[in-house]
Amino acid sequence: QSVVTQPPSVSGTPGQRVTISCSGSSSNIGTNNVYWYQQLPGTAPKLLIHWNNQRPSGVPDRFSGSKSGTSASLAISGLRSEDEADYYCAVWDDRLNIVVIGGGTKVTVV
Amino acid sequence: EVQLVESGGGLVQPGGSLRLSCAASGFTYSSHSMNWVRQAPGKGLEWFSYVSSSSSNIYYAGSVKGRFTISRDNAKNSLYLQMNSLRAEDTAVYYCASNYLDYLGYFHHWGQGTLVTVSS
Repeated sequence: QSVVTQPPSVSGTPGQRVTISCSGSSSNIGTNNVYWYQQLPGTAPKLLIHWNNQRPSGVPDRFSGSKSGTSASLAISGLRSEDEADYYCAVWDDRLNIVVIGGGTKVTVV
Repeated sequence: EVQLVESGGGLVQPGGSLRLSCAASGFTYSSHSMNWVRQAPGKGLEWFSYVSSSSSNIYYAGSVKGRFTISRDNAKNSLYLQMNSLRAEDTAVYYCASNYLDYLGYFHHWGQGTLVTVSS
């Protein structure tokens, strides 16, 4: 069981907005920056959001991140078929002295 | 263009050893901390090791502590992972990932991964 918790799956129709939650504790999300990664099928992960809500250059503005207290969220608006992927949140844990990565959320476009 | 290229994966028997390498190019390697992250077949990502830019700080997840050793050579722009006492549950694709400077968890760039299979 992961130290930070994500829903195993979310689904939506094209154009819809979906959100993925990442729930942690005071020693990780409550204190440190959250990062989000996208892993398309058969490929290496890619940085999607850094410092809780910042998009690297090249990431569409359909992707947005937020953080409040001990939880963080990734939102995908205007859902597209190419967004079908696994999404992971990651954060440093001050108590465990490790990077904790959520179990991942599979996004399906139906 | 930033490139991280892992090598050294393969089939190894339980209890055996393997050494992975990650060759970095396209950025100032000595300024960035590095990580190893793995993914078992059909499973999620698992971070398990970090080394700071000067090798002064090293962290391991409990699952590999005492069995795996991370190291780096800034003169060769390379990252290494010495894996000993391998177990079936270590079977995974192993990725090296660079941090943006020394921001923990900020995996700026990833390699393509190398598959390690532990089986008799």
